[in-house]
This record gives sequence, C-alpha cells and structure tokens, in this order.
Amino acid sequence: GESVGLHLPTLSVQEGDNSIINCAYSNSASDYFIWYKQESGKGPQFIIDIRSNMDKRQGQRVTVLLNKTVKHLSLQIAATQPGDSAVYFCAERGSGGYNKLIFGAGTRLAVHP
Amino acid sequence: NAGVTQTPKFRVLKTGQSMTLLCAQDMNHEYMYWYRQDPGMGLRLIHYSVGEGTTAKGEVPDGYNVSRLKKQNFLLGLESAAPSQTSVYFCASSYVSYNEQFFGPGTRLTVL
Repeated sequence: GESVGLHLPTLSVQEGDNSIINCAYSNSASDYFIWYKQESGKGPQFIIDIRSNMDKRQGQRVTVLLNKTVKHLSLQIAATQPGDSAVYFCAERGSGGYNKLIFGAGTRLAVHP
Repeated sequence: NAGVTQTPKFRVLKTGQSMTLLCAQDMNHEYMYWYRQDPGMGLRLIHYSVGEGTTAKGEVPDGYNVSRLKKQNFLLGLESAAPSQTSVYFCASSYVSYNEQFFGPGTRLTVL
C-alpha cells in the first residue's frame, strides 16, 4: 500500500518521454523473468515476461530487454503517461520447480506533466 | 471472474493474538502463494502450494502456517502475532510454472 516504495530509487520523467527501468538479477541459471507494476494500495500487476532463450520481447508500449552476459533486465516504456506512475518490480524465476519468483526491491516511476 | 480476492483488507492485532487471512481464486489455478511486502523491500515468499492438500515453506515461513483444503482457497494463519509481522500480505496464484502469478489486492496487518 502506501508504505511500499519508501527508500526506493526513483525515476522521474516528463509525460511523453520514454522511460527505461533497469534491474540486475542474481542467478545466472534463472530461466524466466517478469516485470510487475504496483500502484499505491494495490497488488502487483503483470506487465510483460521473457524467457531466457530470448533477448527482447515487445508488448503494447513496453519492451523488455534481457542481457544474460551481465545479468541485466530492462523495461522500456514508450510515451510515458501519468497512469504509468507506480513502483515497478522485476522478478526472476529461480530453481525449485514450483514457479518460485525472486523479486527485486523495485523502482518508483514518477511521471510529471 | 473476480480473479484473486483477499479478506480482510485491513486488520490490527495485539501481540499474541491469532488470525487467519483468506485467499480465494476463481481461475482454477493449481499454484497459490503467500507473500509479505515490507517498505523498501521486494515481495518475500512465506508459503506456497502446488495443489489442493499440499503446502510447502518459502523464504520466510517462521511464525506462519497455511492450509489448502480446497483448490480455490489458500489460508494463512498467524498463531501468536508479533510486531515483526506487521506488513502487507499478498496472495497470488498461477496455473503452472512459466506462467505469470496473479496477485490479490493485499491485506495490511498491523501488530501492536
């Protein structure tokens, strides 16, 4: 809820600009990655996912890039809108066979008019 | 479809009290999960279930118990609440592995 996002890194962008949110993951064996969006007072909402056999995947206004060499994931949002303001989490699927997701701490995206 | 629902939305407990959080999903998902979210931290897995009648420990299971008597419901219990359990609790479900997890709206729990 409202307390989520305290002490998180913040990315401030102007409405209409493109946003890039970065994430470093920990396990080189992770085979599946997800980006979630969390608005204040709500649960995380799926944005886009990518499997480790891909480098790039595009959705509506969003693109996820995966660089396995440096264990880096990025989320690109085109033409950022005020409704995109939220905390964004990346998650990696670890070992265990039960769809275990390991979540990053999140990045707050603030969109200014 | 309602998706994933959680009850209650808010709760305040005194130290030592017990309570149960209810999660329900209407998507016929096999897997269900309980997470906690603390300020400045990512979601941490408490317990999970890969099917009706099965449960297993996640990353931070101490002080919590769970039950999955029906496929659509996953209950999280606190037998003796402690202030360290003050958090926002999220339930999630997924069909199988390699599928997104769908999250509920959360329960904000405060333990005094």
